[in-house]
Amino acid sequence: GENVEQHPSTLSVQEGDSAVIKCTYSDSASNYFPWYKQELGKGPQLIIDIRSNVGEKKDQRIAVTLNKTAKHFSLHITETQPEDSAVYFCAASIRHSSGGSYIPTFGRGTSLIVHP
Amino acid sequence: GAGVSQTPSNKVTEKGKYVELRCDPISGHTALYWYRQSLGQGPEFLIYFQGTGAADDSGLPNDRFFAVRPEGSVSTLKIQRTERGDSAVYLCASSLETGECYTFGSGTRLTVV
Repeated sequence: GENVEQHPSTLSVQEGDSAVIKCTYSDSASNYFPWYKQELGKGPQLIIDIRSNVGEKKDQRIAVTLNKTAKHFSLHITETQPEDSAVYFCAASIRHSSGGSYIPTFGRGTSLIVHP
Repeated sequence: GAGVSQTPSNKVTEKGKYVELRCDPISGHTALYWYRQSLGQGPEFLIYFQGTGAADDSGLPNDRFFAVRPEGSVSTLKIQRTERGDSAVYLCASSLETGECYTFGSGTRLTVV
């Protein structure tokens, strides 16, 4: 199966509502979990990250939670605005080859649409 | 520079041709990564450089793909005998810390016709 699974693939909310995106990962040794926002025609932009020694991190309207035991982490966006509309990717640092480095492996993305 | 710069932004090439894609990372970033992103998918890891050396090339799909970073700054991804399946956006990222806090460029959209 995939190393990082992300759900849902699309999420449609009304302006002001909250949005939650969930990811699971397979490598119990993963210790770094970034979230990226990608707008059309642009590269992914880091919006928040969390390390394995922390269970939750918040930055204004964005928060991320991590459950290492269950190997899942989530992105929470409160008071959504139309400009939050974009594709969001989770990632988990995973060793790609035996003896190799831990490299962020990305989920398939969630297309978030915020209706005004 | 202020960000990661990738050139060209778009490249159309014929099947079987050779292409080079360039990445200019943020000044001082020793770690550099190449990813490939197909439509509707997340970025897929290709290769990682720490300084001048390829620390992990396990993501390169086959021996038609090769990347260099001779002076530890600019990197070039080279694709030989391009195939239509190589069509994708090729993303470059750099960071100070290995594996963390990447800054991505805007990518090169490669179309093989």
